[in-house]
Amino acid sequence: GENVEQHPSTLSVQEGDSAVIKCTYSDSASNYFPWYKQELGKRPQLIIDIRSNVGEKKDQRIAVTLNKTAKHFSLHITETQPEDSAVYFCAANTGNTPLVFGKGTRLSVIA
Amino acid sequence: DTAVSQTPKYLVTQMGNDKSIKCEQNLGHDTMYWYKQDSKKFLKIMFSYNNKELIINETVPNRFSPKSPDKAHLNLHINSLELGDSAVYFCASSPSLGRAEQFFGPGTRLTVL
Repeated sequence: GENVEQHPSTLSVQEGDSAVIKCTYSDSASNYFPWYKQELGKRPQLIIDIRSNVGEKKDQRIAVTLNKTAKHFSLHITETQPEDSAVYFCAANTGNTPLVFGKGTRLSVIA
Repeated sequence: DTAVSQTPKYLVTQMGNDKSIKCEQNLGHDTMYWYKQDSKKFLKIMFSYNNKELIINETVPNRFSPKSPDKAHLNLHINSLELGDSAVYFCASSPSLGRAEQFFGPGTRLTVL
């Protein structure tokens, strides 16, 4: 089955700097890669996703890149703000199986 | 309007008891899920229920049993609760299994004493 590795487990950045979180997956058949943000005490919420037919997707300060050959994808957050502090999860699946989540990255943005 | 709702929000109980958590979605989705999130924040899928087909994560003890009376509801029943069952349990739904956004419920924090 699919296995998703996520790094780093914790990340601290200064406000205004960029943050990058990386994930690798094992199943070359995986074709959907979402990212979820979970604020303290809240539910996980989708912030961006990418499908295997594109290499990059942007939404304001957030971008995701996908390298299918290397089987890894990354979340990029630019101009970080204190409200970006949260736990971020990557996930992957093949389209007819449940999502497999990474173990999460706790991002702290220091003002 | 709450898309995915769970009750109760908090559940404190003694070891050995049996308890249930209820989940309802009003999005018209075909697929529902139960996740367990432990103290390290790992999100582990327990069950998927897609068009009346149950997909079980084989690592889940058989003390846990999902019950779906209809497509909008997926309840979780837990028998003989153990200390290690303490966690936050999230229900989620999606239009179909796989390539679609999952909407999570607010979570149920279960504490077993």
